Amino acid sequence: QKEVEQNSGPLSVPEGAIASLNCTYSDRGSQSFFWYRQYSGKSPELIMFIYSNGDKEDGRFTAQLNKASQYVSLLIRDSQPSDSATYLCAVFGDTGRRALTFGSGTRLQVQP
Amino acid sequence: EPEVTQTPSHQVTQMGQEVILRCVPISNHLYFYWYRQILGQKVEFLVSFYNNEISEKSEIFDDQFSVERPDGSNFTLKIRSTKLEDSAMYFCASSEGWAGPGEQFFGPGTRLTVL
Repeated sequence: QKEVEQNSGPLSVPEGAIASLNCTYSDRGSQSFFWYRQYSGKSPELIMFIYSNGDKEDGRFTAQLNKASQYVSLLIRDSQPSDSATYLCAVFGDTGRRALTFGSGTRLQVQP
Repeated sequence: EPEVTQTPSHQVTQMGQEVILRCVPISNHLYFYWYRQILGQKVEFLVSFYNNEISEKSEIFDDQFSVERPDGSNFTLKIRSTKLEDSAMYFCASSEGWAGPGEQFFGPGTRLTVL
């Protein structure tokens, strides 16, 4: 059974701080890793993806991947109240499989 | 910016009735997906579709479910005889290509309520 685990939170950070969101996965064959943001009652919105070990930066967001530890994280710099949402980690399995396996999400609250 | 669209936004039906959920994927995308999210739970994969046939399906996608691309733009999910436990948000997604990371872009969802 392929699992993606996230702390459900809520993670509360003050405005302007760095929010750090973490995700672990069980399938060592996983190829690609995605972070989605989901506001209450809305659909998942793709923030960024990563498939190589190391860091990948896109604006205020940095994704970090460590395949040896089966760990992927998302850093949000200069957090804004509008960043308050649930952040979903999603993983692609083995090569050739297109189904995303989602974690349950971490709820982030940015306090003004 | 191109986006996935879904209709209706909310569907209420009686148990045992058939429902069809509709999606228009992004126009140059070739891979289409259905996911569902029961209230308060994880997003779950149902089925993927490519070249007019199912590529993968989960154990949730049993004989009560079917998918179809009836024309060049629409992608539909049919539930033949709805059950109470089918109540959920249903999301359609599409992606451009098979190679590479394969980012999937989600539509706004259809909230299905089975009474």
